[in-house]
Formats: sequence, structure tokens, C-alpha cells
Amino acid sequence: DIQMTQSPSSVSASVGDRVTITCRASQGISSWLAWYQQKPGKAPKLLIHAASSLQSGVPSRFSGSGSGTDFTLTISSLQPEDLATYYCQQANSFPLTFGGGTKVEI
Amino acid sequence: QLQLQESGPRLVKPSETLSLTCTVSGGSIGSSTYYWGWIRQPPGKGLEWIGSIYYSGSTYYNPSLKSRVTISVDTSKNQFSLKVNSVTAADTAMYYCARHQGYCGGGSCYGANFDYWGQGTLVTVSS
Repeated sequence: DIQMTQSPSSVSASVGDRVTITCRASQGISSWLAWYQQKPGKAPKLLIHAASSLQSGVPSRFSGSGSGTDFTLTISSLQPEDLATYYCQQANSFPLTFGGGTKVEI
Repeated sequence: QLQLQESGPRLVKPSETLSLTCTVSGGSIGSSTYYWGWIRQPPGKGLEWIGSIYYSGSTYYNPSLKSRVTISVDTSKNQFSLKVNSVTAADTAMYYCARHQGYCGGGSCYGANFDYWGQGTLVTVSS
């Protein structure tokens, strides 16, 4: 199985701050990586696929980068509605696996 | 707009079988483009993929659960279902159904991103 490791596990930032979350895969997955946002009590929402492609309707302050084993999700200017837990997921092979999550607090 | 809705018992006794159904509306489960999956999330914890199914009936399971899990599809009802047998308290979780694309086969599934999710249903295992 491909293990996905996210860091940090939580981050506290202010409105307008730049926030960066990293995700490392235990083996190379090319660009087959997705990022999700999960707000409290809600289902996860796809933000980014193929490491850097923004899903339709997602604000442009979200961006993704990386390939191989190291990936990054960046929120360029944190907004109050970005309070959530963020998960990475490898979309390369079965079993599909998720990172442990990063909780973003405002 | 595609919608997915989970249904089934919210309380299951230990050693019994957990059964959930996902009803898809606003699109056909028989599309050759998509796979249909189950993901669960224990309270306060992260996400775990349980398995996926293609409209043809091909299934892919998480090895950690494979011995206890069955996923099936009913294209005539636009539904797919999950069964987990011999449940314990460790199976208590929010269960989500979701759709993903992907080029899948031989252990690989490139591009398996979950783009539509159900709202989830909390299943508790308790006597």
C-alpha cells in the first residue's frame, strides 16, 4: 500500500495569511494526487486533482504543486470560510489511500 | 446535478452485517466513465477507502477489509450497495458513497479522484 503522510497535523493562521500543507507519498505516484476540503459535519469536497488542476468552482486562492513523492497545497490568502480539515489522497493505485489530515484553524 | 444518497440502518449489533445502499440521481450509474465507491470515517478520525465498483460489476476492495466486504451494483435501480459482515465497534463510522473516474486495472487506478459525494450516514455498532 502507498502511505500518505501529511504535515502539519494542524495549523493556526490569520485571515489573509498564506498557508502551506505538505503531503508525502511512500512511493512515487507521478502527479496522481488529489486534495480535499472537509468542513465540520460535511462530506469532503474535491479541491484539486492531478496534483495541480483546480476543480471547477474552487476559488483560485487554492493551488497545488508537486510530483513524484512530494506535494503541496497552498491557500494564498486565508479566508474565514477556509476553516476545515484538508486531506490528500493518492489516485495512482489500489488501495486508494488518504493522508491523516491537516486541520486549519483561523 | 448529480446527487448521491446513502440509506440503511444506523445501528447494527456486533457480529451482524452492516448494509448500506447508495442511490444515484441526476446521472446514470451505468456510465462507462465512472466508478462508484465507499469511504468511511470513524468519529474524529481520517478517511478510509473501503472499495469501488464499476457498472459492469468489477470490484476493487481495500485488502484490510476485503474478507468482510461485498460491494454490488444494480443498474436498473441506479444504486450500489455495501455489506460489511461480522462487524465490531471498530466499524462505527460515517459511511460515504462517492463517484470517481480513473483508468483502472491490474492494481492501478490512475486519476481516481472522488468528485461527487453523498452526505454520509453514521453507522454505530453497539448491542
